[in-house]
Amino acid sequence: QQQVKQSPQSLIVQKGGISIINCAYENTAFDYFPWYQQFPGKGPALLIAIRPDVSEKKEGRFTISFNKSAKQFSLHIMDSQPGDSATYFCAASKGNTPLVFGKGTRLSVIA
Amino acid sequence: DTAVSQTPKYLVTQMGNDKSIKCEQNLGHDTMYWYKQDSKKFLKIMFSYNNKELIINETVPNRFSPKSPDKAHLNLHINSLELGDSAVYFCASSPLGLEQFFGPGTRLTVL
Repeated sequence: QQQVKQSPQSLIVQKGGISIINCAYENTAFDYFPWYQQFPGKGPALLIAIRPDVSEKKEGRFTISFNKSAKQFSLHIMDSQPGDSATYFCAASKGNTPLVFGKGTRLSVIA
Repeated sequence: DTAVSQTPKYLVTQMGNDKSIKCEQNLGHDTMYWYKQDSKKFLKIMFSYNNKELIINETVPNRFSPKSPDKAHLNLHINSLELGDSAVYFCASSPLGLEQFFGPGTRLTVL
């Protein structure tokens, strides 16, 4: 049973465009929703995270939108740049339990 | 200074061998994890340790055994290696319930 479903699997965006990645979760007890960015040959690194008490969080060009009733959250990357090309993972956890990851989205930003 | 380090970075070995991967964190975190990332980039939790005590042991073969000599170290021993064990293994650490910091990964290839 996959607890966090992520889409799309891959995404190609023009430089300057908006990249949108979506995730849906099943466990209503989840209370922490991070997004991780992974470059080839590197470990995942935290990009931005949200708790369910807010509907949106913005950090620079990166925004998480969170819809508790729909059990969905998404990552928006504004003004996408070639340097944003990476694999992005959504995740969720409850309390101090390990993260449950989505299957990842490979983003390519082309000039 | 490297926050979470792993050795070796690459490990190539024959089927049936026994190998170990070492992990160290200098962040003072209470919790450490081992994740497996398969060829499709899917990240899956294997083990979680909190203050040297195993708190999660997902359904991994008992050929895999984590060892934590102290709070800063979590090593992974793998016995009787199989072809299907080929993957990238990531160590991570976190303060309880918060952001996880990942190591650079160990690419294991079983021939």
